[in-house]
Amino acid sequence: EAGVTQFPSHSVIEKGQTVTLRCDPISGHDNLYWYRRVMGKEIKFLLHFVKESKQDESGMPNNRFLAERTGGTYSTLKVQPAELEDSGVYFCASSSFGGGLEQYFGPGTRLTVT
Amino acid sequence: GDSVTQMEGPVTLSEEAFLTINCTYTATGYPSLFWYVQYPGEGLQLLLKATKADDKGSNKGFEATYRKETTSFHLEKGSVQVSDSAVYFCAKWGGGADGLTFGKGTHLIIQP
Repeated sequence: EAGVTQFPSHSVIEKGQTVTLRCDPISGHDNLYWYRRVMGKEIKFLLHFVKESKQDESGMPNNRFLAERTGGTYSTLKVQPAELEDSGVYFCASSSFGGGLEQYFGPGTRLTVT
Repeated sequence: GDSVTQMEGPVTLSEEAFLTINCTYTATGYPSLFWYVQYPGEGLQLLLKATKADDKGSNKGFEATYRKETTSFHLEKGSVQVSDSAVYFCAKWGGGADGLTFGKGTHLIIQP
């Protein structure tokens, strides 16, 4: 069974540009989470989907970030326009149960904004 | 707000040494507690978990006990190997729609 996959693995963009990150959860997992790790800091929760519905997006930094999960399968996280402080590693995780137990993580997308 | 605190390292040990990585948390109520491990070039993997006080999680020779009285979940291993070199993250989940709350991660280096 395939694990959680993320694309791209690494993205380098200039300040002001737009970037879209993609996450494909494990097939059949209704719960999908986005997290971000900024250099030297903790991995921070961004938001949680159950199927296509956003459950909690309290961790989203600001309105430059837009997450979608159309059809309840893969998810995208768009940053528009990107700022320098958006640089970091963006992780996606999925789980088959409600909540935090047994979350399976993808390898992450390293975003560098110059 | 709620948080997880762990020693940051890097922690460097010789092979077969005893390992302890400290983790403490603040929370309202009784969260579930986790240790995740990230090997070089890979994503985070769940190493072990405990869902209530006095539970002991164990996997691959690693152990951690949920201590409510000290709000701790320290990770231990009796004899580390070079292949244990990785970054270890302590995390908690308080329930509901929230995601996990992580510590900053501890970089562990095991030398032959």
